[in-house]
Amino acid sequence: GAVVSQHPSRVICKSGTSVKIECRSLDFQATTMFWYRQFPKQSLMLMATSNEGSKATYEQGVEKDKFLINHASLTLSTLTVTSAHPEDSSFYICSAGGEAFFGQGTRLTVV
Amino acid sequence: GEDVEQSLFLSVREGDSSVINCTYTDSSSTYLYWYKQEPGAGLQLLTYIFSNMDMKQDQRLTVLLNKKDKHLSLRIADTQTGDSAIYFCAEKTGGFKTIFGAGTRLFVKA
Repeated sequence: GAVVSQHPSRVICKSGTSVKIECRSLDFQATTMFWYRQFPKQSLMLMATSNEGSKATYEQGVEKDKFLINHASLTLSTLTVTSAHPEDSSFYICSAGGEAFFGQGTRLTVV
Repeated sequence: GEDVEQSLFLSVREGDSSVINCTYTDSSSTYLYWYKQEPGAGLQLLTYIFSNMDMKQDQRLTVLLNKKDKHLSLRIADTQTGDSAIYFCAEKTGGFKTIFGAGTRLFVKA
């Protein structure tokens, strides 16, 4: 079964609203989780590294205030897309346990 | 900068072997990975190889690594229609970042 669970798998929201995506490690504790963004027919781009109990590390060009990451426990990291706009529409994927385990992904559509 | 490149598309007949190629730039990479992504899903780690190895076999999958040329390949023997997916090559760089290629879309014809 899946060892990293991501929820929701699909979400549609209105411009200006915020959306929260959850990433859970089911069978292990993860002090570090990764958040990626994938554009159609393109590779995964690392957005940030989520660290349990401390601030996330963001990649260059990723707005910290736009993409809020919280890693409050050893099994849960959340990504909140704040004040979403249509250009934020994308496929967001989390991973934990190094490069071994990925969530199912979340398709975000902002209308 | 660090980069991973792979061809975007491969079409094979069912039962044939598929070979997906990848090149990378970081000579100090530690691990190299192959992932499979089916439509609308996350990535599934298929196999990986440590940078001091030149070959790894796992059932129908064979990974070849030419470190000198920074070339990685994934061979799928007896390709089935269920193998149709996007395959991503990735490297863990010396700076411990994981860089992904753009993915190769494998289409298997029955």
